[in-house]
Amino acid sequence: DAKTTQPTSMDCAEGRAANLPCNHSTISGNEYVYWYRQIHSQGPQYIIHGLKNNETNEMASLIITEDRKSSTLILPHATLRDTAVYYCIVRVAHQAGTALIFGKGTTLSVSS
Amino acid sequence: EPEVTQTPSHQVTQMGQEVILRCVPISNHLYFYWYRQILGQKVEFLVSFYNNEISEKSEIFDDQFSVERPDGSNFTLKIRSTKLEDSAMYFCASSDGQGRYNEQFFGPGTRLTVL
Repeated sequence: DAKTTQPTSMDCAEGRAANLPCNHSTISGNEYVYWYRQIHSQGPQYIIHGLKNNETNEMASLIITEDRKSSTLILPHATLRDTAVYYCIVRVAHQAGTALIFGKGTTLSVSS
Repeated sequence: EPEVTQTPSHQVTQMGQEVILRCVPISNHLYFYWYRQILGQKVEFLVSFYNNEISEKSEIFDDQFSVERPDGSNFTLKIRSTKLEDSAMYFCASSDGQGRYNEQFFGPGTRLTVL
């Protein structure tokens, strides 16, 4: 089973920041937080991951609390194309070949 | 940008028939995966494959399923005798296993419909 808890759905206005929360209170010291998204039944797409420091790439920012029990994915300027299901997953990064365990994720709806 | 490809995009079959779903992973990747997603449900892990062996599999991946890398480029999932409940989107993924991230790159999926 997924080790994370996410809200079922969120809405965001186009151009605004989308902040997607995730709780992972049982995360282990060697587990990373990964975010993937799935746009309308396409294959899931990697977004970002982090261990304990905040991370930023061209797609998003990831803020992890100091106790690592929760995190927030930030899409700084959401567009209609960001409408998707967003999955927060915890896993050990260096274990190649291990499964991604998907939960139900958060359905983000971006509207104009 | 390199990508994972899958064929066919949609497969319709009769219950009890064998199907083979095909995937071409990203060329320098070493780890290969199959996932499935029944309509309206979660993405579920089926199997991972490395060095011509299964490295991990889920409870879903029973004797009806098998995987193979028949040549240097293709990775296949075979379902021996399809059931109605096998109807789902099947996603192939690959990862390089070399870097820090081990991010998995997914293909567009094959929609399997069992009648």
